[in-house]
Amino acid sequence: GESVGLHLPTLSVQEGDNSIINCAYSNSASDYFIWYKQESGKGPQFIIDIRSNMDKRQGQRVTVLLNKTVKHLSLQIAATQPGDSAVYFCAVITGANSKLTFGKGITLSVRP
Amino acid sequence: NAGVMQNPRHLVRRRGQEARLRCSPMKGHSHVYWYRQLPEEGLKFMVYLQKENIIDESGMPKERFSAEFPKEGPSILRIQQVVRGDSAAYFCASSPTTGGNSPLHFGNGTRLTVT
Repeated sequence: GESVGLHLPTLSVQEGDNSIINCAYSNSASDYFIWYKQESGKGPQFIIDIRSNMDKRQGQRVTVLLNKTVKHLSLQIAATQPGDSAVYFCAVITGANSKLTFGKGITLSVRP
Repeated sequence: NAGVMQNPRHLVRRRGQEARLRCSPMKGHSHVYWYRQLPEEGLKFMVYLQKENIIDESGMPKERFSAEFPKEGPSILRIQQVVRGDSAAYFCASSPTTGGNSPLHFGNGTRLTVT
């Protein structure tokens, strides 16, 4: 089966600094990776995704890096803002019809 | 352009009662997924449905839980004879294609409390 884990349960950063959230996955056949953000009382919100044929993808203030050699995924948030405070999940899919498997989540706190 | 709609947002049931959770996917989406989230936990897959078909129910408990996605109307997650351990947030997600080709879009969940 697939297991997905995050390296640390909480991360505290100063407003304006960059944040890096890491995730490890176990199945080398995983081919689609997604980062979600979940605010209190809400459902997961899509942030950015990347496929296994890429190693980097950029969005607005966010970058996802994929290292298939060590089965590692990271989310970088530039100039972190108070509104970025939330729980972040990485999720992976293995195979076209497979379900999305979520990691446990890391809480990002932004200090003013 | 409405997102995934779930209702009710909060549901309180006594032990032994039935709980029905509804999910209307985004317009144009024919793939629906149900996930359960316990406090301080990640989301656990329960079931994947397409219109009128259950594709993968490997995450569903063997008893008391069922799901459907009829040709017309919302997807329903049904929990019979609820127990306290069923208390959780239940999230529905939809996608226009299979999950391996596009991200899932989630609703804001139904928080079930069993007293």
